[in-house]
Amino acid sequence: EVQMVESGGGLVKPGESLRLSCAVSGFTFSNAWMSWVRQAPGQGLEWIGRSKSKSVGGTTDYSTPVKGRFTISRDDSNNMLYLQMNSLKTEDTAVYYCAAEVGNPSFDFWGQGTLVTVSS
Amino acid sequence: DIQLTQSPSFLAASVGDRVTITCRASQDLNSYLAWYQQKPGKAPKLLIYTASTLQSGVPSRFSGSESGTEFTLTISSLQPEDFATYYCQQLKSYPSFGPGTKVDIK
Repeated sequence: EVQMVESGGGLVKPGESLRLSCAVSGFTFSNAWMSWVRQAPGQGLEWIGRSKSKSVGGTTDYSTPVKGRFTISRDDSNNMLYLQMNSLKTEDTAVYYCAAEVGNPSFDFWGQGTLVTVSS
Repeated sequence: DIQLTQSPSFLAASVGDRVTITCRASQDLNSYLAWYQQKPGKAPKLLIYTASTLQSGVPSRFSGSESGTEFTLTISSLQPEDFATYYCQQLKSYPSFGPGTKVDIK
């Protein structure tokens, strides 16, 4: 059974940092391309970045709104994905999901999400 | 960047209705389009990938098709559990999602 569990969300002030984690089990994590997707309250889904598997270089990609502020990393030995968020803005308030591409061009599996609130 | 539009943004339908949602891409996607269903407070769920391939475990009343840069999600007979918001997603380049279509009860 696939399990993806995000943690680390909470309330922070503008300009502060936060690190989210995603613990994965049930598939071969090292082969998966892992993404972070967020959803602001009452809004749609927004892809913010991904970590490709090491077999294709292990590179990371970011969307324009978070590039330079957010960093995605992964620990294949412990099946963990991370999202380091710096210089947080009020517009970063959202539920953050980790999602996995495990073979098909699609986000096959998702975590339950963790809420990040940026407010003074 | 590849842009996706969805229509309609909202529709009201009854159980048993045939429902069609359209997603249009700003450029060719080589069939790299997926559809997701999201219910309130829940994570999205993959329904269809590569435009028309049904994800394992998804009921056969869901289907997807494509014609050029226009993609369609069809629910052949709407069931009570299908009232939700539906998103298309392109994975041709950096992934992006359409704005969503909310399917509500008439």
